[in-house]
Amino acid sequence: NAGVTQTPKFRVLKTGQSMTLLCAQDMNHEYMYWYRQDPGMGLRLIHYSVGEGTTAKGEVPDGYNVSRLKKQNFLLGLESAAPSQTSVYFCASSPGTWGTPLHFGNGTRLTVT
Amino acid sequence: RKEVEQDPGPFNVPEGATVAFNCTYSNSASQSFFWYRQDCRKEPKLLMSVYSSGNEDGRFTAQLNRASQYISLLIRDSKLSDSATYLCVVNLAQDMRFGAGTRLTVKP
Repeated sequence: NAGVTQTPKFRVLKTGQSMTLLCAQDMNHEYMYWYRQDPGMGLRLIHYSVGEGTTAKGEVPDGYNVSRLKKQNFLLGLESAAPSQTSVYFCASSPGTWGTPLHFGNGTRLTVT
Repeated sequence: RKEVEQDPGPFNVPEGATVAFNCTYSNSASQSFFWYRQDCRKEPKLLMSVYSSGNEDGRFTAQLNRASQYISLLIRDSKLSDSATYLCVVNLAQDMRFGAGTRLTVKP
């Protein structure tokens, strides 16, 4: 049982390049989330999804797009990367029922030069 | 005002000390609450949920005060292995919001 898997683990982009981060979960969870973590800022919610085919904006959605075409996958896209998007990105999932915690992936370290 | 605010820390304590972390949240409609632990360069991991009546798990005790919109975590008899960043998490409807975290270092 892999839980939540993120790919890639590391990536370096140049300003203006695009990329997609993949999150996959094998726990049949309804809810999935993308967070970014920066020093001293804690985790900030980018986008989330409460089910297949649905997405919603979090605290810091600008510059990112997401898709949830399949229940087990949640994709985070950067169309035109900027140095301000240098961060560690975490994906998480949960069953969605009241009081259930998040399960996290190992994170993706992204550097934009 | 941030939705979830924590003590800025860092806390540096000797082994065996008791240490308390505090967290406040701004939305009174928040529904569930958690403490997570995060080790350096790792993903956050659930430490414990926080229940209205308060709950204890070994050396760890969590308290919730809905009237004051306040959550706390108490660690007794701290160990070297407790060194980590502790994150307060608040669930409102469909999203989960994190505090910035408080870093704890336990020294011999």
